[in-house]
Amino acid sequence: ETGVTQTPRHLVMGMTNKKSLKCEQHLGHNAMYWYKQSAKKPLELMFVYSLEERVENNSVPSRFSPECPNSSHLFLHLHTLQPEDSALYLCASSQEVLLVTGELFFGEGSRLTVL
Amino acid sequence: DQQVKQNSPSLSVQEGRISILNCDYTNSMFDYFLWYKKYPAEGPTFLISISSIKDKNEDGRFTVFLNKSAKHLSLHIVPSQPGDSAVYFCAASGVNAGNMLTFGGGTRLMVKP
Repeated sequence: ETGVTQTPRHLVMGMTNKKSLKCEQHLGHNAMYWYKQSAKKPLELMFVYSLEERVENNSVPSRFSPECPNSSHLFLHLHTLQPEDSALYLCASSQEVLLVTGELFFGEGSRLTVL
Repeated sequence: DQQVKQNSPSLSVQEGRISILNCDYTNSMFDYFLWYKKYPAEGPTFLISISSIKDKNEDGRFTVFLNKSAKHLSLHIVPSQPGDSAVYFCAASGVNAGNMLTFGGGTRLMVKP
């Protein structure tokens, strides 16, 4: 089993659809993250959870709704998205949320296309 | 305003030669820097890091150099191999910079056989 697993790998949805991205980590880490990677832009941090509690939300539109039921699972619920939300969504985990010297372990990403 | 910038979106190098990837930052509160490597259809993986108390860190073919006065770091790959072809992301963090990693836009390295 890989350390961080994301499903689905590819998702195409209309602007009125509701869908969810799922992430699972098997590393025993306490912190989980959602990042967005758009073409020709840096990785953008969206949400951070530490022990199931949200500790960071970088002004993400409410059409993205995260959920962290336990320290191993993280979801990103999607509702009424816009075409500009099409991107690669990466989940990551780390031992702790304070990352000064720690490293992130990324999943393979979920490629989202909004029509 | 991007705090971490990788000004070269792509770099092409011949196999066996040196690859030099550059990264500039603006936030003087950053004191830890990392490089990640990303293959297509995979997530980024950690490659090498450096603390601001050092100016060089080496791991096999990979060396990271930090110039704090210039707020510049670089990743050297010697010798470059075709398997090194990937997108390389520079990232920075700091106790007084929010603790979260801030990433650059990435540089696509192509190593030609």
